[in-house]
Amino acid sequence: KQEVTQIPAALSVPEGENLVLNCSFTDSAIYNLQWFRQDPGKGLTSLLLIQSSQREQTSGRLNASLDKSSGRSTLYIAASQPGDSATYLCAVGPGTALIFGKGTTLSVSS
Amino acid sequence: GAGVSQSPRYKVAKRGQDVALRCDPISGHVSLFWYQQALGQGPEFLTYFQNEAQLDKSGLPSDRFFAERPEGSVSTLKIQRTQQEDSAVYLCASSLIAGDDVYNEQFFGPGTRLTVL
Repeated sequence: KQEVTQIPAALSVPEGENLVLNCSFTDSAIYNLQWFRQDPGKGLTSLLLIQSSQREQTSGRLNASLDKSSGRSTLYIAASQPGDSATYLCAVGPGTALIFGKGTTLSVSS
Repeated sequence: GAGVSQSPRYKVAKRGQDVALRCDPISGHVSLFWYQQALGQGPEFLTYFQNEAQLDKSGLPSDRFFAERPEGSVSTLKIQRTQQEDSAVYLCASSLIAGDDVYNEQFFGPGTRLTVL
């Protein structure tokens, strides 16, 4: 059974820092991996989608990498801002449904 | 165009009541998913539709949960005889298509927060 783990569960950084969020999964047979952002009381906002044939995707200050063989993905956030404060969820797609981790709650202080 | 919309945004039900949650996917999206998110947890898959066909309902926790998408657009998740453990946020997502080795980005709605008293 596919399991997704995100470390750390919570992270606090000062504004301007570069940071890395980690996601690991137990079964490397995935079709894609998607990173989401969730603000309190809100739905999920898709940040980046990496297909299994890709190794990374970039959008603005965000860069996500995928290493299927080791079952790992990282989300790199450059020059963090207070507006980046949210919970970040990693999800893998071994099939049609996504399997999610529990998320990393990020707090960026000004 | 508009994103995925869900209604109601909040629902309070007394234990034993039936509830119906609605999802309007992005226009033209073939695939529709329902997820359940408990407090402090990641979303968990409930069921999946491709057009009007329910292709996977393996995540529905009990036979009190029922979902339909009769015309291949709007979907309704119905929970009968609600229990306190049903309290959660119910998220709907849609994608252009899924399956046959084509897996597109899923776009999520704002969710319906269900509280069962």
